[in-house]
Formats: sequence, C-alpha cells, structure tokens
Amino acid sequence: NAGVTQTPKFQVLKTGQSMTLQCAQDMNHEYMSWYRQDPGMGLRLIHYSVGAGITDQGEVPNGYNVSRSTTEDFPLRLLSAAPSQTSVYFCASSSPGQFTNTEAFFGQGTRLTVV
Amino acid sequence: AQSVTQLGSHVSVSEGALVLLRCNYSSSVPPYLFWYVQYPNQGLQLLLKYTTGATLVKGINGFEAEFKKSETSFHLTKPSAHMSDAAEYFCAVDAGGTSYGKLTFGQGTILTVHP
Repeated sequence: NAGVTQTPKFQVLKTGQSMTLQCAQDMNHEYMSWYRQDPGMGLRLIHYSVGAGITDQGEVPNGYNVSRSTTEDFPLRLLSAAPSQTSVYFCASSSPGQFTNTEAFFGQGTRLTVV
Repeated sequence: AQSVTQLGSHVSVSEGALVLLRCNYSSSVPPYLFWYVQYPNQGLQLLLKYTTGATLVKGINGFEAEFKKSETSFHLTKPSAHMSDAAEYFCAVDAGGTSYGKLTFGQGTILTVHP
C-alpha cells in the first residue's frame, strides 16, 4: 500500500518557468490538500479538494493552480515560478468517517528551488 | 479563524529526561487536534490525535498528550527521551465540519536530545 506518492522529490526551476507537482493516493480518500513548508512557519495550506471536480483555496493560493479530475490525483501547478515559491511542498489526503474522521496522511514532499 | 502556537521553536533535553512540547490553539468550535513528527528530509508522521472522548491520548513511541479545553492546550509529553526522538514536531488543528481536512499548523518545535 503506497499511501500518498509525490513526484518529483527534487526540482530546480528558473524564474518564470512553469511546472506541475504530482500527487497520487491509493486510499480512496475524498479529501486532498497541498501545503508548503517554510522554516519557522510550519505548514501552510495552498489548495484543497473535497472530491473530484471540487477545489478551494487555502491560506496561500497565489501563484498556484489545482484541478481534481479523479479521486486519486491532485496535481499542483506553478504557473510562473518565482523565488518566493522556493519551499518544500507536501500533499496530504484524508477521509471523513462515519464516527470519526481520519487523520491526514502525507507524502514524502517535493523540495523545489526557484533560481 | 484558527491559530496554533507552539511555545519554543527549539527544545533541548538529555536522554532519559522528560519531554514537554507545548501547543495552544484558538478555535471557535471543538477541534480535532494532532501531533505530527518529521524526521530530516521526510514527510510528516502522525504521533497521536484527539477527536472525541478521552482527553488523555496515547500515541506511538511512548508519547501522549492531554486535551485541556479550559486552557485551549494540547501539550505533548514523553516521560523519558530517547536519542531517536530527535526530530521536528508539529501541532495541528482541524476545525472539522465544513472545514474538515483543512489543517492549521503551529510553527514547529525542533527537539534535540543530548546523550
């Protein structure tokens, strides 16, 4: 059982380039999220999805785009990379249960550097 | 809006000593509370969670935390530190309901364990 898989693990981009960070989960979770982790700031929510075709913005959505066409996949797109987007990105998934919600399961992260 | 404050960005203890990592939160509704651990260059792993029921929650690796509603706190403790506990620890809140799955994280606490 792979859980949450993120690719790539590392990426270097030049300012202005675009790219897509991939996230896939095999737990049939309805909810998926993207966070960025910066030193001293914990993790901050970028975008969020409660199911296929439904997405919402988080705390820091500017410069990022998402879509959710399947339950399994939730890619994050950087439209025009900026140095301020240098960060570690984590994808997470979870599921609302009948009596208690599950915790979020995290991928291993993508370390992105924008030069 | 929710917020999470972790007191102390760095905590240092001796091996065998008590570990106490502090977390206070603000939430307008009874929250779900989590502690995650992150080892270097890895994703986040759940230590323990509080959803409903017993306010003293036991997790993996000998950690436990107590939900104190009156103090809006969810401090993490371990009676005897081990070298392998050295990592960064994150407290997180999920307000549940329509906000389920949107985690708000504290800034993180780096735990150092000295021999």
